[in-house]
Amino acid sequence: AQSVTQPDIHITVSEGASLELRCNYSYGATPYLFWYVQSPGQGLQLLLKYFSGDTLVQGIKGFEAEFKRSQSSFNLRKPSVHWSDAAEYFCAVGLRSNDYKLSFGAGTTVTVRA
Amino acid sequence: DSGVTQTPKHLITATGQRVTLRCSPRSGDLSVYWYQQSLDQGLQFLIQYYNGEERAKGNILERFSAQQFPDLHSELNLSSLELGDSALYFCASSVSWSGGASGANVLTFGAGSRLTVL
Repeated sequence: AQSVTQPDIHITVSEGASLELRCNYSYGATPYLFWYVQSPGQGLQLLLKYFSGDTLVQGIKGFEAEFKRSQSSFNLRKPSVHWSDAAEYFCAVGLRSNDYKLSFGAGTTVTVRA
Repeated sequence: DSGVTQTPKHLITATGQRVTLRCSPRSGDLSVYWYQQSLDQGLQFLIQYYNGEERAKGNILERFSAQQFPDLHSELNLSSLELGDSALYFCASSVSWSGGASGANVLTFGAGSRLTVL
């Protein structure tokens, strides 16, 4: 079955430490890939996207993600986390066969400790 | 501010009632999407409109309906409400209905309407 998996429900990280959020997908074709962030009480904000080309993509707020076709993964990273990065992060995929409508993973909640 | 406006931000109502959620898309966007976010189901695609026409349906209940008006704003109507309909309802908009030659669609989300059914 087609799916988007975020294996980690909750991650706690110290301020200044690095962060990596995992995302795996299971689709026949390479989907278009996105990471969104949802701060408490807010809507979803696009962090970055991958359509094609360079497999390492840069986003806003110092985030980057790497597409690895062999692993069907699109992991999100940030070298040094700030307290304001505490939020819920969603990986999403869009398929050409489905008019690129987004299917979301279950989300990973990030807590930042001082 | 994402440019996508949703009203109301919060709504509390009783079972069996009907509510309407409103969305104004970002300027220039022709496509509107509705998503439901609940604790048990996560983010689920409900329905999509493009330039006034229904484009795609997802996991939308028959008790729910939507439309997009000539000025491109959209309304999501939820009727015969049940406790399980309590959720955050997001509207998103995009320029097109699909990726087209440039690639995938990029959705811009509103802040959501939180519905509580008591």
